[in-house]
Amino acid sequence: QKEVEQDPGPLSVPEGAIVSLNCTYSNSAFQYFMWYRQYSRKGPELLMYTYSSGNKEDGRFTAQVDKSSKYISLFIRDSQPSDSATYLCANGGSQGNLIFGKGTKLSVKP
Amino acid sequence: DTGVSQDPRHKITKRGQNVTFRCDPISEHNRLYWYRQTLGQGPEFLTYFQNEAQLEKSRLLSDRFSAERPKGSFSTLEIQRTEQGDSAMYLCASSPRGIENQPQHFGDGTRLSIL
Repeated sequence: QKEVEQDPGPLSVPEGAIVSLNCTYSNSAFQYFMWYRQYSRKGPELLMYTYSSGNKEDGRFTAQVDKSSKYISLFIRDSQPSDSATYLCANGGSQGNLIFGKGTKLSVKP
Repeated sequence: DTGVSQDPRHKITKRGQNVTFRCDPISEHNRLYWYRQTLGQGPEFLTYFQNEAQLEKSRLLSDRFSAERPKGSFSTLEIQRTEQGDSAMYLCASSPRGIENQPQHFGDGTRLSIL
């Protein structure tokens, strides 16, 4: 069983929609959770970082962690065509290496 | 621009040749990581340095791979006797040392193509 599971999509939504991206993880020892956005032929760009259960908001983005069910989510409000990218969830422990999901490819249509 | 810098951006080589990639981390970051990403997959961890010390290696890092960070600044990743399966994007990331695990910031990678 892969340690971080993520639906690869693709996911296509109209501009202005609310997008929900989800991951599950298996190793409860890993306490840190990240969401990265990756455009084609670019490196991953950090969007959100959290280490506690609950919600964390940054502009149009909200990261949600539920440690009891080992479930992490990213919500994008008022989605824009520029949000079209692959979204990667990751978690990691105190030493630092990150375990990534496969990524979900999102397309926001104008 | 003070982000993570990787060179070259794209490397094309014949099977059996040796290749070397360079990563310059964000200047105040003590930790440096190498990952490999293939099409349709998330990045997979290869190895990690804190300053010049290589502290962890994944089992993905076969004996054909070697990484160095001689002065605790830039790092190099060398692949000897390249194989078709080595074709991938090689990503470097860095993070500051801290009490909490700090998020990693990635470069734009080196894309390796084996002919």
